[in-house]
Amino acid sequence: IAGITQAPTSQILAAGRRMTLRCTQDMRHNAMYWYRQDLGLGLRLIHYSNTAGTTGKGEVPDGYSVSRANTDDFPLTLASAVPSQTSVYFCASSKAGGADTQYFGPGTRLTVL
Amino acid sequence: RKEVEQDPGPFNVPEGATVAFNCTYSNSASQSFFWYRQDCRKEPKLLMSVYSSGNEDGRFTAQLNRASQYISLLIRDSKLSDSATYLCVVPTGGFKTIFGAGTRLFVKA
Repeated sequence: IAGITQAPTSQILAAGRRMTLRCTQDMRHNAMYWYRQDLGLGLRLIHYSNTAGTTGKGEVPDGYSVSRANTDDFPLTLASAVPSQTSVYFCASSKAGGADTQYFGPGTRLTVL
Repeated sequence: RKEVEQDPGPFNVPEGATVAFNCTYSNSASQSFFWYRQDCRKEPKLLMSVYSSGNEDGRFTAQLNRASQYISLLIRDSKLSDSATYLCVVPTGGFKTIFGAGTRLFVKA
């Protein structure tokens, strides 16, 4: 692994289903982030984690949860998907806080029907 | 007013042209700024960081105007490969970062 990986690459999901998007980094970065990108809106922060064991809410956290059991992994869970969660989801990491360069994974395209 | 605003474009320019994008931000306390590049259906990647008045890297120059709260990106001698969306990024403190919606650039032969 080099950098950040995300899985799945894309997914079509029925509304009401539970879904976990996976994110793994091998750079030993302390901070990790989840963003969603929608046309015309730019990237919006969903949740972040500044170190293993701690998480925080971003701009649009409702309907999403995260965990950070270790340095490398930062899964994002949709407990009960709704069509408005159709988006492209990017995971990112940085050595330190938000003022540091962020490195992004390739993204997950999620469609909720 | 949005926290970070960019002209969405698209900017259509011929190869070899010089093109400039502006980005305005509302948080006067922000100290560092970034330009990221995003190709279609790909992840954003860092293009340049701006910590003081400006930064230059080859054909790319980023400038910061704190008094007017904007940053700019200048691309000289545009290449076809410069076609992309350019995102203005403003950390707002802690772990929160605001991304602009992006400016689309098309460079044509």
